[in-house]
Amino acid sequence: QSVVTQPPSVSGTPGQRVTISCSGSTSNVDPNTVAWYQQLPGTAPKLLIHRNDQRPSGVPERFSGSKSGTSASLAISGLQSEDEADYYCAAWDDSLIGYVFGTGTKVTVL
Amino acid sequence: EVQLVESGGGLVQPGGSLRLSCAASGFTFSDHYMDWVRQAPGKGLEWVGRTRNKANSDTTEYAASVKGRFFISRDDSKDSLFLHMNSLKTEDTAVYYCARVVSGYILGTAYYYYMDVWGKGTTVTVS
Repeated sequence: QSVVTQPPSVSGTPGQRVTISCSGSTSNVDPNTVAWYQQLPGTAPKLLIHRNDQRPSGVPERFSGSKSGTSASLAISGLQSEDEADYYCAAWDDSLIGYVFGTGTKVTVL
Repeated sequence: EVQLVESGGGLVQPGGSLRLSCAASGFTFSDHYMDWVRQAPGKGLEWVGRTRNKANSDTTEYAASVKGRFFISRDDSKDSLFLHMNSLKTEDTAVYYCARVVSGYILGTAYYYYMDVWGKGTTVTVS
């Protein structure tokens, strides 16, 4: 059972803005940085956001990340059908001495 | 092209052993920490463990769920990463991914750690 929690599902219509929350603790999300991964159906995870709010090259600007204290968020602006996927936040945990993934959120485009 | 390719998955009986391999190409393998991550059927991602690079003595850390049973090694001369799995349990059934790690400190305090390159995974079934 993960120590970092996310809502199981989020949905929206095309063009809408949706946000995914990520709740951690003072041993992982705060003080360390958060990364977000996107996993399309049947594929390997892909890095979406690193260091809380940094997008790797090739990731569309409609994906943005933020962090405040022990919580982080991923926002998808202008939701598109190809954004339908599972999304995971993650951070290094200083107490566990390991990397912890969030519970994962399934994004559905209605 | 930067690439990671896992192999070695298969069907194994409970209590058995298996060795997974991950072949890296397109980057300087020896510079990077490398991780293993797994995903049980219909479940989320679970970090398995990591190996640091030679500059950091190739030291390893493991998730509590596999500690003492799984071991990570690397062969920088062959750009290869390995996961040695022993005393396998049915709950170890999963797709296993290897991933390249980027890590460091911001202003000496906040630790950034993320996986920027992933393989396609190899399936391990313990039954």
